Amino acid sequence: DTGVSQNPRHKITKRGQNVTFRCDPISEHNRLYWYRQTLGQGPEFLTYFQNEAQLEKSRLLSDRFSAERPKGSFSTLEIQRTEQGDSAMYLCASSLGGRSYEQYFGPGTRLTVT
Amino acid sequence: AQSVTQLDSHVSVSEGTPVLLRCNYSSSYSPSLFWYVQHPNKGLQLLLKYTSAATLVKGINGFEAEFKKSETSFHLTKPSAHMSDAAEYFCVVIYSSASKIIFGSGTRLSIRP
Repeated sequence: DTGVSQNPRHKITKRGQNVTFRCDPISEHNRLYWYRQTLGQGPEFLTYFQNEAQLEKSRLLSDRFSAERPKGSFSTLEIQRTEQGDSAMYLCASSLGGRSYEQYFGPGTRLTVT
Repeated sequence: AQSVTQLDSHVSVSEGTPVLLRCNYSSSYSPSLFWYVQHPNKGLQLLLKYTSAATLVKGINGFEAEFKKSETSFHLTKPSAHMSDAAEYFCVVIYSSASKIIFGSGTRLSIRP
């Protein structure tokens, strides 16, 4: 199965620490998206890339959050100085691009900030 | 403001009876509309999509959705519910070529034996 993969699947960290998550999209997909989902809520859009270019960022993406996709393949999402409110499931999705917007999601990384 | 509203946070039906999950969106020139399903502890799976072709869209597992522009709705239906349909369902709208992606708040579908 060559679907979207995310690592790690779970991360527990202490408040104030930095964390980094990785997403590997489906290989021929040139769009990549990051979302955050808290318990009982729908995913909230954070940012998306077209190849290596970051084209859209949500207001939710504070200056403690940064995302990269340096070679247009995998992407990383870093959270600096984590806060308890950052505890959530972080989802990555990819889509083919062009006029195709259907997104395929990874299993997510569950972050717990203690 | 652009928005997506899932009118029911929880729907409960008996096995074998029809399912209706409602979704309304704020008007836009040509939105792309999707339904996703999320089973407990599983990833989001695409059920079906509307992208300005036929207004009645068929998806996986017997689900369908009808795009009604005049009502700005994209309701999800299934003629006969199965126990395995119990999950969270999300309506998703994409405006303006992926620059604005909005998930609804979700509808939890429960199936009674």
